[in-house]
Amino acid sequence: AQTVTQSQPEMSVQEAETVTLSCTYDTSESDYYLFWYKQPPSRQMILVIRQEAYKQQNATENRFSVNFQKAAKSFSLKISDSQLGDAAMYFCALMNYGGSQGNLIFGKGTKLSVKP
Amino acid sequence: DTAVSQTPKYLVTQMGNDKSIKCEQNLGHDTMYWYKQDSKKFLKIMFSYNNKELIINETVPNRFSPKSPDKAHLNLHINSLELGDSAVYFCASSQPRRSGNTIYFGEGSWLTVV
Repeated sequence: AQTVTQSQPEMSVQEAETVTLSCTYDTSESDYYLFWYKQPPSRQMILVIRQEAYKQQNATENRFSVNFQKAAKSFSLKISDSQLGDAAMYFCALMNYGGSQGNLIFGKGTKLSVKP
Repeated sequence: DTAVSQTPKYLVTQMGNDKSIKCEQNLGHDTMYWYKQDSKKFLKIMFSYNNKELIINETVPNRFSPKSPDKAHLNLHINSLELGDSAVYFCASSQPRRSGNTIYFGEGSWLTVV
């Protein structure tokens, strides 16, 4: 069975500081994708960053970067220079490459607060 | 220019009613999905369609019936609504094996059953 675990239900960061959100996963597949989605109060699901498991290089998107540790099955998200607009729920998600199309397995989410 | 659009955004209805949520994507994707987010914000896939064919059908009551008239549309019809159906329903689409299998979500349809 595939699972995604986010062990931090809530996190808080000071504006302009850096915060890291944790995610671990379990899958028996060797090829898969990992994602971080952001969900602000509007409820829209916004893709933050994506990582292909076969790529050793950690993905980065502006202030967002990941620390992908394949052997440890860990996929943490680092947000640098935090902004008030970063406050949201963040979901880590796993999709197997060759499995059921589109079956994103989500973690339970981490609620991030940003203090001015 | 909305990529994945769904209507209505908000829906309040009584138990026992039948309702539909419509979804359209203009991304040219072959695959569309319905996801459900419950009151605890847990997201789970309900259905997946590829080129109008059902690919994934998770353990969803048969009161829920997806309909895909073409690959750009995937509507969700719900019969005999129950209180437990209250949730946010997300339509999504992707083009497998392109763009890293990224799934693009609509804005969600917030269903409240009273």
